[in-house]
Amino acid sequence: AQTVTQSQPEMSVQEAETVTLSCTYDTSESDYYLFWYKQPPSRQMILVIRQEAYKQQNATENRFSVNFQKAAKSFSLKISDSQLGDAAMYFCAYINTNAGKSTFGDGTTLTVKP
Amino acid sequence: ETGVTQSPTHLIKTRGQQVTLRCSSQSGHNTVSWYQQALGQGPQFIFQYYREEENGRGNFPPRFSGLQFPNYSSELNVNALELDDSALYLCASSLAAGGPYEQYFGPGTRLTVT
Repeated sequence: AQTVTQSQPEMSVQEAETVTLSCTYDTSESDYYLFWYKQPPSRQMILVIRQEAYKQQNATENRFSVNFQKAAKSFSLKISDSQLGDAAMYFCAYINTNAGKSTFGDGTTLTVKP
Repeated sequence: ETGVTQSPTHLIKTRGQQVTLRCSSQSGHNTVSWYQQALGQGPQFIFQYYREEENGRGNFPPRFSGLQFPNYSSELNVNALELDDSALYLCASSLAAGGPYEQYFGPGTRLTVT
């Protein structure tokens, strides 16, 4: 069974600074996808960034980038130039290519200090 | 483009009762996944429907059942409610099952079982 672990229940960052959220996962599959989702206090979950396991290049979306280490089964999220609107709970998620099941971590609550 | 909607927003039920939650998927999406999110935890996958067929199931008992309709909207039914069923229930739709497809989440239904 796949598992996703987020070892940092809470993180805080000063506005305009950089923060990295950690995620590790366990799977025996070779083909899969990884996602970071953001859940603001309003509760609606939105996609931040996705990474295909077969791609060595790390995904980047504006201020958000990942460090994907396939051998180590690590998938961290870096947020640069943090903004107050980045404050939310962040979830790391795994899905394999064919199965209809997503596995989410327990989340990291990010606080951004002005 | 209409986003994912869920009804009702909040619901209070008594232990032993039955409940039906509803989800309208985003236009053009044929896949719906249901999740249970306990307070302070990540979403737990209940099941997924792809083109009206169940396409994967998490570790939930049979009293959790679902349906997907020809217009790809979906229902989650829970029989014999237990206190531990109190949670936020999230519905997510996507273009297809598995793979790189982003899941678009609804705002959730908050179920309280007393």
